[in-house]
Formats: sequence, C-alpha cells, structure tokens
Amino acid sequence: GQQVMQIPQYQHVQEGEDFTTYCNSSTTLSNIQWYKQRPGGHPVFLIQLVKSGEVKKQKRLTFQFGEAKKNSSLHITATQTTDVGTYFCAIPRSNDYKLSFGAGTTVTVRA
Amino acid sequence: DAGVTQSPTHLIKTRGQQVTLRCSPKSGHDTVSWYQQALGQGPQFIFQYYEEEERQRGNFPDRFSGHQFPNYSSELNVNALLLGDSALYLCASSLITGSGIGYTFGSGTRLTVV
Repeated sequence: GQQVMQIPQYQHVQEGEDFTTYCNSSTTLSNIQWYKQRPGGHPVFLIQLVKSGEVKKQKRLTFQFGEAKKNSSLHITATQTTDVGTYFCAIPRSNDYKLSFGAGTTVTVRA
Repeated sequence: DAGVTQSPTHLIKTRGQQVTLRCSPKSGHDTVSWYQQALGQGPQFIFQYYEEEERQRGNFPDRFSGHQFPNYSSELNVNALLLGDSALYLCASSLITGSGIGYTFGSGTRLTVV
C-alpha cells in the first residue's frame, strides 16, 4: 500500500530561524494533507494540497506539492515557540478514503 | 459548532478486560474514523464507519470492533486487552465526500492497560 516517509524525524531549531520538513512517497498521490499536533494534544488539520506544483501559504508556513505529486514540503520561517509540536503529512490510500499518516517531524525550539 | 467529542479522556484497565470508547462527530460530518497513536508515532488507522457500517479496516485484530449509530456517533470496543493496547485513541470525523477540509480530530482517550 501507499506509504509516506517524513524527514527529518526530529528538528531542533533556534528561535527566529527557518526550517523545512519533507514528506516523500514512492507513488503518485491524489492529494496530501498536513496536520500539527502540539505536545499532549491531538492532530489539527492545517491544509490540503491537490494540484501539481501547488504552493499555499498560511502566515509563516509555506506548503508545497511536488510537480510529480510524489513529495511535499512544509517550510516555516522565523520559527517561534508556538511552532513546537509534531507535523504530520497524511495521504489517502488509493481507491479508498483512509488517510495514512507519516511518522511525523517533531519540532523543538531553542529560545 | 461543536467539534469532535470523545469520552472518557483517560482510562486505566487491567489486562484481559474490555473497554468501550465513545465519539461524537463534528456537527455536519457523517464519517467517523478511529486511530491508535502510540507514544512518539503517527496515528495508525483502525477502521472507518459510514452509514452505520464499517467501510474499511486497518491491520488490527478482531478484538477491535466498532459501531456507528444513526446520529453518526460511534463506539470503539476492545476486548481481551493487552499491555500493548496502551495508547491514545483518536476519533476523527469528516464528510465522506471529502471537500478538502480534512479530518477533525477529538482530543482522544488515553488508555493505559496494566
């Protein structure tokens, strides 16, 4: 079945710096979703990307879907302590509605 | 507009016991999916319910069963609990038609099996 790899698993960032987390699939995706889970919390939907090469921004967060629709990235600029948490990408499995989650990138911020 | 409500928030059970977890989906949503999230891992799909039927099932044993009621609320039952069943159980609701708005997750039930 479709699986998605997320890298890096952990990201330690100095406050104010930028970072990027990546999500890679071996197969072409119909769409990809991103979620954020704060420590002790539950996943919260951030965005869905559908089109090849699509770029969407939410304030300091920039989401991109690759041209081949096999990978995606989340770039955060000027990291703040509020960005702490685990970022998951999630992909639909072919021919059904199940969402499969990656292992996540856990972000910590040094003040 | 109420989000997804799960109960109880925390639960401690003994190995071999049975447990029932409950979920009320977000208003307007008709589909409920259950996920198990072990510490430090991503959510793992258990099953999905739509129109009171199990539409899909993940790689979980038959000890895990569920139900969806006419009001779209759902239950997750786990029989013969094992220590390895200790995890955060998440309920997620959505519209079966998609719409690109993603899943809405509840706060989860933290199950500890001792």
